[in-house]
Amino acid sequence: SQKIEQNSEALNIQEGKTATLTCNYTNYSPAYLQWYRQDPGRGPVFLLLIRENEKEKRKERLKVTFDTTLKQSLFHITASQPADSATYLCALDNYGQNFVFGPGTRLSVLP
Amino acid sequence: EAGVAQSPRYKIIEKRQSVAFWCNPISGHATLYWYQQILGQGPKLLIQFQNNGVVDDSQLPKDRFSAERLKGVDSTLKIQPAKLEDSAVYLCASSLGAYRGAYQETQYFGPGTRLLVL
Repeated sequence: SQKIEQNSEALNIQEGKTATLTCNYTNYSPAYLQWYRQDPGRGPVFLLLIRENEKEKRKERLKVTFDTTLKQSLFHITASQPADSATYLCALDNYGQNFVFGPGTRLSVLP
Repeated sequence: EAGVAQSPRYKIIEKRQSVAFWCNPISGHATLYWYQQILGQGPKLLIQFQNNGVVDDSQLPKDRFSAERLKGVDSTLKIQPAKLEDSAVYLCASSLGAYRGAYQETQYFGPGTRLLVL
């Protein structure tokens, strides 16, 4: 069955450092990979999308890489701030179907 | 632009009772999703509608869960009878959908309904 793993349940980093979150998947060949942010008591909010034929995508302080050979995506937040503290979810889909979310990584940026 | 609306925000019921959740997606969004999110886990897709047709309901426990999307707009998700393990947050999301060579499935989520089954 399809399985998604995210590197750890929780990640603590110092303010100003780069946070790197990992998303690994098995038994899936996604056409797209998305990253979402979820704050406590709220629904997930879309951050970035990367296609299977793209290696890297950037948006402001965010960067996503996608390696379909390794079946892995890396999500980077540079110059991290306490306001970046949240749970980050990766999600896979195949042309708008077979949506699967990972379990999430809870990031804490310490001042 | 108004976001995805859900109600109620919270619900507490006894096991074996029934409960219904309502979702109003963003205007013009063809695709609507219902997810179940258990504490500490990622959202799990229960059902996906494209307009008023079902695209994917493979993970919907059909012996107790049902969902409908009349007229391709609002949707309701029902649980009857509820079990203790149904305690979770139920998220509704919508997207433009109608995939035609350009990705339009970025999802916009509502605030969720937190269900506690005692």
